[in-house]
Amino acid sequence: DVKVTQSSRYLVKRTGEKVFLECVQDMDHENMFWYRQDPGLGLRLIYFSYDVKMKEKGDIPEGYSVSREKKERFSLILESASTNQTSMYLCASSFGGFGQPQHFGDGTRLSIL
Amino acid sequence: GQQLNQSPQSMFIQEGEDVSMNCTSSSIFNTWLWYKQDPGEGPVLLIALYKAGELTSNGRLTAQFGITRKDSFLNISASIPSDVGIYFCAGPGAQKLVFGQGTRLTINP
Repeated sequence: DVKVTQSSRYLVKRTGEKVFLECVQDMDHENMFWYRQDPGLGLRLIYFSYDVKMKEKGDIPEGYSVSREKKERFSLILESASTNQTSMYLCASSFGGFGQPQHFGDGTRLSIL
Repeated sequence: GQQLNQSPQSMFIQEGEDVSMNCTSSSIFNTWLWYKQDPGEGPVLLIALYKAGELTSNGRLTAQFGITRKDSFLNISASIPSDVGIYFCAGPGAQKLVFGQGTRLTINP
């Protein structure tokens, strides 16, 4: 089975802090994704990556950056956390083209105070 | 851009009832995916459909790829308490998966 592991289930940070969310997958997938999920807004794509050191903006990249130095690891960075970034963050990975199923981690519930 | 509309947005049913939900697209898809998300967890893939008209089962779950390729259906038979959660449909968009808004299923014992 595919295993996507997110480093924290719950995280509390303060406004202005730099926040790192880590994601590791164990299936040698080329593609990795970061989403945020908010009530009534569904899953929104922040950034994705189709290869090491490659990144593409999703639908809501503002206030975020990413890093993919190794194939198995995809990091989401909140450069200066703000309260409107309080959310559930989900990492996913997939193999192959755009239509292939993505496999999700358990999520990180991030609160910015 | 491409949009997926899921219906209904929420369902309140009795344990043992059958459940039906659907997803419609503004454009043709060549893949339909159905996910379930338990409270506080990440979405888990339930069923993947790759061919128009395809009918696929996973235990008490059955999903169908609509003939028009613009819709898909998910049925759950004889619901049990652990079926509670949010069900998402998804399909391939431009460089990404497009997700529906989800159907929230609540079951009264």
